[in-house]
Amino acid sequence: GAGVSQSPRYKVAKRGQDVALRCDPISGHVSLFWYQQALGQGPEFLTYFQNEAQLDKSGLPSDRFFAERPEGSVSTLKIQRTQQEDSAVYLCASSRVRDPHRPGEQYFGPGTRLTVT
Amino acid sequence: GESVGLHLPTLSVQEGDNSIINCAYSNSASDYFIWYKQESGKGPQFIIDIRSNMDKRQGQRVTVLLNKTVKHLSLQIAATQPGDSAVYFCAEIPLSGGYNKLIFGAGTRLAVHP
Repeated sequence: GAGVSQSPRYKVAKRGQDVALRCDPISGHVSLFWYQQALGQGPEFLTYFQNEAQLDKSGLPSDRFFAERPEGSVSTLKIQRTQQEDSAVYLCASSRVRDPHRPGEQYFGPGTRLTVT
Repeated sequence: GESVGLHLPTLSVQEGDNSIINCAYSNSASDYFIWYKQESGKGPQFIIDIRSNMDKRQGQRVTVLLNKTVKHLSLQIAATQPGDSAVYFCAEIPLSGGYNKLIFGAGTRLAVHP
């Protein structure tokens, strides 16, 4: 079946531009996560949605970062006034409702590689 | 695709050998641990998981060992194949999270040589 998809796969932005990254989770998955992965490092948590509710945004690095999931399916991560330190791969993951037996089974998309010049 | 793990430690093995990848985790209150595999240009892929009340779990060709005393996790891959070449990350879920927030550790690149 279809997995998590993200678009665009690659994005080059000039410093100061706004960008919007899209995530299409697996159909029916309640939970949606955004992670940021710098080169050579593990992914770092940004924010979490359960359906349309953003329950945790503690990982967002600044108020330039904003995420939404208005209808509980597709999500958009927006970065305003991009800076060079925002260059990274942005990963989206989705999972079913919390499964006490398999809480770690998140399905990741391929990521969007953002390069800020 | 983009390169993952350019500056990560590398484990080089011969095809057919067994591989052991190690990870130290930080939070003694974590309840759940997972190994993910990440190939270049792709997102992490779930491999195997283990709860904190277990010390060993086996899957197909993979075994995860958990030593809570020293906060150490390892992934053993039997009969390593070229398709196993990737970056491997351990991840933990803290008890206090209330949901499935993953905390990833530093990765290890596995290079399998024919």
